[in-house]
Amino acid sequence: DAGVIQSPRHEVTEMGQEVTLRCKPISGHDYLFWYRQTMMRGLELLIYFNNNVPIDDSGMPEDRFSAKMPNASFSTLKIQPSEPRDSAVYFCASSTTSTLGEQFFGPGTRLTVL
Amino acid sequence: KQEVTQIPAALSVPEGENLVLNCSFTDSAIYNLQWFRQDPGKGLTSLLLIQSSQREQTSGRLNASLDKSSGRSTLYIAASQPGDSATYLCAVRPGTALIFGKGTTLSVSS
Repeated sequence: DAGVIQSPRHEVTEMGQEVTLRCKPISGHDYLFWYRQTMMRGLELLIYFNNNVPIDDSGMPEDRFSAKMPNASFSTLKIQPSEPRDSAVYFCASSTTSTLGEQFFGPGTRLTVL
Repeated sequence: KQEVTQIPAALSVPEGENLVLNCSFTDSAIYNLQWFRQDPGKGLTSLLLIQSSQREQTSGRLNASLDKSSGRSTLYIAASQPGDSATYLCAVRPGTALIFGKGTTLSVSS
């Protein structure tokens, strides 16, 4: 298996622009997670899906952030409009079970908003 | 609110030394604890997963222990090598998602 795939790996954009991050989970995994990593706050959960349905989006910082999972093999995280404080590394992870299994992480997308 | 703390934040050791990384968490109600390795500019690689009913897990030169009642876990690395240089993250699972510590950055010199 190729593991969790994320694209793009790096994104540089200007404040106010729309940014879309993409994730393909490991085949057969029915949980998908989006995390954000910053120097100040470390790794934090943004949102997770179970069987393509958003379950907990309490970590989404504000309405500028939205996430979708139209099918079992694809998810997007969109920021519109982007702001410099959104600069971070965004990770996608997937797992097979809700509480007992390992979570497998993608390589991350490093976002820089100028 | 669950909080995860990793001490020290950074550690430098000479090659060959055995070392221990510490992780503490404030709420013992967890399903499991996972140790990850993160190389600069890279993603997270899962090293060990310890279920709440287990006391330890071993993989090669790595051994992780869990004392849920005291809210502590340790990652023991035997005979450290320069290739072990990375940031090590501890994460607990009180529910479906993980809650992470901020990591310990390890540097092993040859």
